[in-house]
Amino acid sequence: GENVEQHPSTLSVQEGDSAVIKCTYSDSASNYFPWYKQELGKRPQLIIDIRSNVGEKKDQRIAVTLNKTAKHFSLHITETQPEDSAVYFCAAFSAGGTSYGKLTFGQGTILTVHP
Amino acid sequence: IAGITQAPTSQILAAGRRMTLRCTQDMRHNAMYWYRQDLGLGLRLIHYSNTAGTTGKGEVPDGYSVSRANTDDFPLTLASAVPSQTSVYFCASSDRDGTEAFFGQGTRLTVV
Repeated sequence: GENVEQHPSTLSVQEGDSAVIKCTYSDSASNYFPWYKQELGKRPQLIIDIRSNVGEKKDQRIAVTLNKTAKHFSLHITETQPEDSAVYFCAAFSAGGTSYGKLTFGQGTILTVHP
Repeated sequence: IAGITQAPTSQILAAGRRMTLRCTQDMRHNAMYWYRQDLGLGLRLIHYSNTAGTTGKGEVPDGYSVSRANTDDFPLTLASAVPSQTSVYFCASSDRDGTEAFFGQGTRLTVV
């Protein structure tokens, strides 16, 4: 089945700096890669996603890149702000084989942005 | 109901008891998922369903069962709860293959 590895587990940056979180996946049939943000005590919410036919996607200060050959994708946050502090999860959706329909998450990254 | 709702929001359960966590969505989403969230382990998939009438096992299915009798409901049952099932449980749904998954508010379950 699909295995998603996420690094780092914790990330501390100064306000205004950039933050990068990386994920790898194992199932070549995966075709959809969302990123979720979870604030303390709340439910995860989608912040950006990318499909396997696209290499990069941007939304204001957030961007995601995908390398299908290497099976890894990354989240980039520029000009970080204290309100970006949260847990971030990557995920991969399996679109084929015995894992069809599974949405598998990484272990999460605790991002802390210091003012 | 607006979106996806879980019940109860929290529960303390004696070990050995049976418990069903409820999940209902009104978005007519085909896919539904159950995850457990434990510190440092992220969101681990327990069971999922691509459409009404079908279910599949995730990463950590042992000790849990699900059913999907209709589109809206996806209950998760713990047949005989054990302390290691203490966790926060999230239900999620998505419209179709590879689209945004919406999460319920979570159920905090403590097995003592």
